[in-house]
Amino acid sequence: QQQVKQSPQSLIVQKGGISIINCAYENTAFDYFPWYQQFPGKGPALLIAIRPDVSEKKEGRFTISFNKSAKQFSLHIMDSQPGDSATYFCAAQETSGSRLTFGEGTQLTVNP
Amino acid sequence: NAGVTQTPKFQVLKTGQSMTLQCAQDMNHEYMSWYRQDPGMGLRLIHYSVGAGITDQGEVPNGYNVSRSTTEDFPLRLLSAAPSQTSVYFCASSYSYFNQPQHFGDGTRLSIL
Repeated sequence: QQQVKQSPQSLIVQKGGISIINCAYENTAFDYFPWYQQFPGKGPALLIAIRPDVSEKKEGRFTISFNKSAKQFSLHIMDSQPGDSATYFCAAQETSGSRLTFGEGTQLTVNP
Repeated sequence: NAGVTQTPKFQVLKTGQSMTLQCAQDMNHEYMSWYRQDPGMGLRLIHYSVGAGITDQGEVPNGYNVSRSTTEDFPLRLLSAAPSQTSVYFCASSYSYFNQPQHFGDGTRLSIL
């Protein structure tokens, strides 16, 4: 049972375009939502994270949008670059819990 | 700092063999965990530890064993390898389990024939 559902599975974007990856969750106790970026042959690395007390968080070209009522959150990559080509994972965690639940992953390809 | 170090990077086993995947971190992190990554399934938690001497099961613990005798090391043991355990295994650590970024190793690619 996947508690965090991620879409799309793969995404191809032209250089300079906007990449959008969406995640939905069921567990209303989740209150920490990080995004991880993974390059081939490497482990995932934290990209950006949000808590549900804000609806948006921006760090450079990366923005998380959060909709608590819809139980959805998304990652927007503005001005996408070929170097952004990687697999992106959303995740969710409960404050009282010690488990981080990951989405299925999105393989992003940014064409030059 | 080396961060999280996993060994070996690649391994091929025969069904029924046992082996230990090593994980070490030099950041004095209390929380360590093991995940497996399979295509289309994201990362699934196998076992985790909130400190030396304390371990607990994750989402997919069957067929795996862990122990945490020191803060630095968190080995994962496959008791009797099965083809279904063919996967990429990642070890991660964080300062605590609560809302802290997890630092991942570069993985062990394991094939079970």
